Amino acid sequence: NAGVTQTPKFRILKIGQSMTLQCTQDMNHNYMYWYRQDPGMGLKLIYYSVGAGITDKGEVPNGYNVSRSTTEDFPLRLELAAPSQTSVYFCASSYTSGGAFRETQYFGPGTRLLVL
Amino acid sequence: DAKTTQPPSMDCAEGRAANLPCNHSTISGNEYVYWYRQIHSQGPQYIIHGLKNNETNEMASLIITEDRKSSTLILPHATLRDTAVYYCLLYNFNKFYFGSGTKLNVKP
Repeated sequence: NAGVTQTPKFRILKIGQSMTLQCTQDMNHNYMYWYRQDPGMGLKLIYYSVGAGITDKGEVPNGYNVSRSTTEDFPLRLELAAPSQTSVYFCASSYTSGGAFRETQYFGPGTRLLVL
Repeated sequence: DAKTTQPPSMDCAEGRAANLPCNHSTISGNEYVYWYRQIHSQGPQYIIHGLKNNETNEMASLIITEDRKSSTLILPHATLRDTAVYYCLLYNFNKFYFGSGTKLNVKP
């Protein structure tokens, strides 16, 4: 299994441009997450999904959109890039059944985004 | 609002036990305590988790106080490869809350 993969690894955007960060997992996990990590800080949850067709906001959703049309893919969309969105973006996935609080999240390698 | 509080950095000698503390005084009854670590700028890696009882796995031990308001992660024999940022998290309703973590420096 490749686990959680993210593309691209690094991207430079101009202010106002749009882009989609790709995330794919091959572990048949039902839950998927997007986090951002600013320099020297912990991770902040942007959006998450508990299954195909179901998404919900995290702590910092403004400026982002997500969709989950398949179990495997969970893309993150930036519509109008701003310098404040310069960060490292991590995608994660986990499997949860029956509401048990026993999740273990598996993280991708991250995408570094620089908005100038 | 920070749900967990950790010291920003700690040093540990190689081969010695590393004890990383975490305060979570507002923890609710159904919240699990999780520990992850992040080496350089890689994606975080799961270490261990627990609810009430102490837990041990091949990587570490987790000690949770009886009132559940604090916990300690123990790396029994720290190596240079354990140098990383260690995050203590609470899991609540589909969401993990990451704090700023503790930078553990393992020194030869």
